[in-house]
Amino acid sequence: GEEVAQTPKHLVRGEGQKAKLYCAPIKGHSYVFWYQQVLKNEFKFLISFQNENVFDETGMPKERFSAKCLPNSPCSLEIQATKLEDSAVYFCASSPGSPPQPQHFGDGTRLSIL
Amino acid sequence: EDQVTQSPEALRLQEGESSSLNCSYTVSGLRGLFWYRQDPGKGPEFLFTLYSAGEEKEKERLKATLTKKESFLHITAPKPEDSATYLCAVPSNTGKLIFGQGTTLQVKP
Repeated sequence: GEEVAQTPKHLVRGEGQKAKLYCAPIKGHSYVFWYQQVLKNEFKFLISFQNENVFDETGMPKERFSAKCLPNSPCSLEIQATKLEDSAVYFCASSPGSPPQPQHFGDGTRLSIL
Repeated sequence: EDQVTQSPEALRLQEGESSSLNCSYTVSGLRGLFWYRQDPGKGPEFLFTLYSAGEEKEKERLKATLTKKESFLHITAPKPEDSATYLCAVPSNTGKLIFGQGTTLQVKP
């Protein structure tokens, strides 16, 4: 597609439950990035992929967060045993080639942990 | 450590009142600077890329410029539909974006 598609738009989970977010990058884009926006305008980088390979995972909390980009499937970000502090908007972005090409963002998934 | 600072945090303009937004950056090696617009409940929308000092880009009422230390987003004769949060970002050597805090612009009719 011509846009980055993120699903669901809003996800509500009880503390301790699992949350899984999905991202379909723009067709032909080989790089995928995940960001977490906790406070207004504060973006925290989580992880990036080059096709199905992890490119940079320096922002990824090791214990409960995992992510995948498999061929012919949407990319996913999974959070195990969610905590209240995981409440945020999670954005996915894709770019067509090697950095530093512009990244194009989806509209995010708002994760609410109750 | 790469750092991006935007000012002002918020800006209120009357329709037609031109102004500029500032983005100061400190990076080990500039690999480009991106401007985005973000509307409430939406993801950042790409506006411009600037790669070298002296470069300028224009789109409708917006013009972005770049020096060795900062970038400006000039808004000429803004309209209410230009109201949004404007973000600047620089890519690290692995491509992850380092964002400024954003400037929230409100244009009143």
